[in-house]
Amino acid sequence: GENVEQHPSTLSVQEGDSAVIKCTYSDSASNYFPWYKQELGKRPQLIIDIRSNVGEKKDQRIAVTLNKTAKHFSLHITETQPEDSAVYFCAASLTALSNDYKLSFGAGTTVTVRA
Amino acid sequence: GAVVSQHPSWVICKSGTSVKIECRSLDFQATTMFWYRQFPKQSLMLMATSNEGSKATYEQGVEKDKFLINHASLTLSTLTVTSAHPEDSSFYICSARLLAGTETQYFGPGTRLLVL
Repeated sequence: GENVEQHPSTLSVQEGDSAVIKCTYSDSASNYFPWYKQELGKRPQLIIDIRSNVGEKKDQRIAVTLNKTAKHFSLHITETQPEDSAVYFCAASLTALSNDYKLSFGAGTTVTVRA
Repeated sequence: GAVVSQHPSWVICKSGTSVKIECRSLDFQATTMFWYRQFPKQSLMLMATSNEGSKATYEQGVEKDKFLINHASLTLSTLTVTSAHPEDSSFYICSARLLAGTETQYFGPGTRLLVL
């Protein structure tokens, strides 16, 4: 099955600086890579996703890059704000009906933005 | 749109009792629902995949007789933790995938279970 590794496990940044979280995956057939943000005790919320036919995607202060050859993808948050403090999870999936579009999650990164 | 609810949001029960958790897609029909378990400061671990009208598919190591899943309609899936024990205490989260939609999963708010 798919194995997703995520680094770092914790990340502390000064407000206004950038944050980068990196993930690697094992199954070269995976073709869908979402990122979720989870605040303490709350549900994971999708913040951005990328599919394997695209190398980069941006949404305001958030961007994701994908390197299929190296099997890794990264989340970039620019101009960080205190409300960006949360746990971030990357995930990977082979989007096929045969496997129900299951997601494999990374271990998570706790991001703390210092004011 | 794409709102998923869970009930109850938290439950405390005695060891040996059974607990039922409901997951509903409020404004869409969900072909597939997923059940996850999340221990403190850990990632989401997929327990099972539930397709409407068919038996759930359980991940390796998850006891199907202990975690009963029923997906009776396109908007409702239930997870019953039978004969709960303290080690079953966790945060249980469901997610739903849109019928004939994309691969995006929408998560419920979670149910915190504490077994005494």
